[in-house]
Amino acid sequence: QQPVQSPQAVILREGEDAVINCSSSKALYSVHWYRQKHGEAPVFLMILLKGGEQKGHDKISASFNEKKQQSSLYLTASQLSYSGTYFCGANAGGTSYGKLTFGQGTILTVHP
Amino acid sequence: DGGITQSPKYLFRKEGQNVTLSCEQNLNHDAMYWYRQDPGQGLRLIYYSQIVNDFQKGDIAEGYSVSREKKESFPLTVTSAQKNPTAFYLCASSTGTVSYEQYFGPGTRLTVT
Repeated sequence: QQPVQSPQAVILREGEDAVINCSSSKALYSVHWYRQKHGEAPVFLMILLKGGEQKGHDKISASFNEKKQQSSLYLTASQLSYSGTYFCGANAGGTSYGKLTFGQGTILTVHP
Repeated sequence: DGGITQSPKYLFRKEGQNVTLSCEQNLNHDAMYWYRQDPGQGLRLIYYSQIVNDFQKGDIAEGYSVSREKKESFPLTVTSAQKNPTAFYLCASSTGTVSYEQYFGPGTRLTVT
């Protein structure tokens, strides 16, 4: 079953912060985050593994709440280059080893 | 330069014809994947392969076929049985599976009329 992302779209001014959530009804082993610019391939941002860890690089970070089966992506002090569609990909482990199920995406638009 | 190549970038076919999309990687990755993306939607997994000569169906395998005869190549055939084949097709690869990032190719936009 596809994870649910919220919100569906976000509009920001440069310098503002945003949070994108990814919720699953299944127990997850890992969550992947990707960003895709229009007409281009998705680009990897980070992976979070079961265990509730938090990761980050530069001004983009993410957390994974195992109890809630939810991951959140935090974008702080947004830049124009952050614009794009953000996807989470969920892996349930076990027999689905290797298989990612992606959310429907969150469109982020950053204005000057 | 290491990476994933997909060709062609744009492909046009008549309904009823089979078409094969190419995906090659020189990253020495074991796992390879095929996704389909429709406008405004997420990526849906068609097939994936963890090792040569082995592959598994994804969520929407009907109407598609794959082969994995070489580590670096994972071609996808869109058959005439696929009811709605017009879409953006993305190939990806990764070193392992669960805890490894997937690297995506530039994609092939297939239009069937």
